Amino acid sequence: DAKTTQPTSMDCAEGRAANLPCNHSTISGNEYVYWYRQIHSQGPQYIIHGLKNNETNEMASLIITEDRKSSTLILPHATLRDTAVYYCIVRADNTNAGKSTFGDGTTLTVKP
Amino acid sequence: NAGVMQNPRHLVRRRGQEARLRCSPVKGHSHVYWYRQLPEEGLKFMVYLQKENIIDESGMPKERFSAEFPKEGPSILRIQQVVRGDSAAYFCASSSRTGSNQPQHFGDGTRLSIL
Repeated sequence: DAKTTQPTSMDCAEGRAANLPCNHSTISGNEYVYWYRQIHSQGPQYIIHGLKNNETNEMASLIITEDRKSSTLILPHATLRDTAVYYCIVRADNTNAGKSTFGDGTTLTVKP
Repeated sequence: NAGVMQNPRHLVRRRGQEARLRCSPVKGHSHVYWYRQLPEEGLKFMVYLQKENIIDESGMPKERFSAEFPKEGPSILRIQQVVRGDSAAYFCASSSRTGSNQPQHFGDGTRLSIL
């Protein structure tokens, strides 16, 4: 799986959009970009994933650059409950694709 | 519509004892993944199972650790003769199908403490 690079930490004001970047310059054509978050003492929570096109769901939007070497997770209106560690992962579409390789993630702190 | 259920949430064992961690996947999911998270670290993949089969165990320690996912019942991660270094949070995830277009849904983990 391709390696990802994320900033260690970010702050965001409550009610504002949180934009979390991720670099995955070695991504292959069949690898999906996934975002998870982990709130203290809980299991990782799936947020969104995509291959080439931008994606949006009830939680967030995922913007993937045209060359697919980077992406941005957007939380449109951050709340205090969005404070968490956010992980960007790329997964290959192998026949038995199973494991997700988690890096250190970005610690997002939403401030009042 | 229950998600991934793990039990126990907390488990305390003395060195040399056995630890059994259980994971019930989302109803209808036949693919299970186990991850370990040491204190202040990220999640590390351990093993991927499909009903009755181990698909990828590249992250499992060679000794003392085993996993199963029987036809009936939960998936079990078993750690024999536990040592202090086994203290960690163990997370289970499940998905409905294989392939990288299938999100993995995680449980809230079992926190294992070794005395």
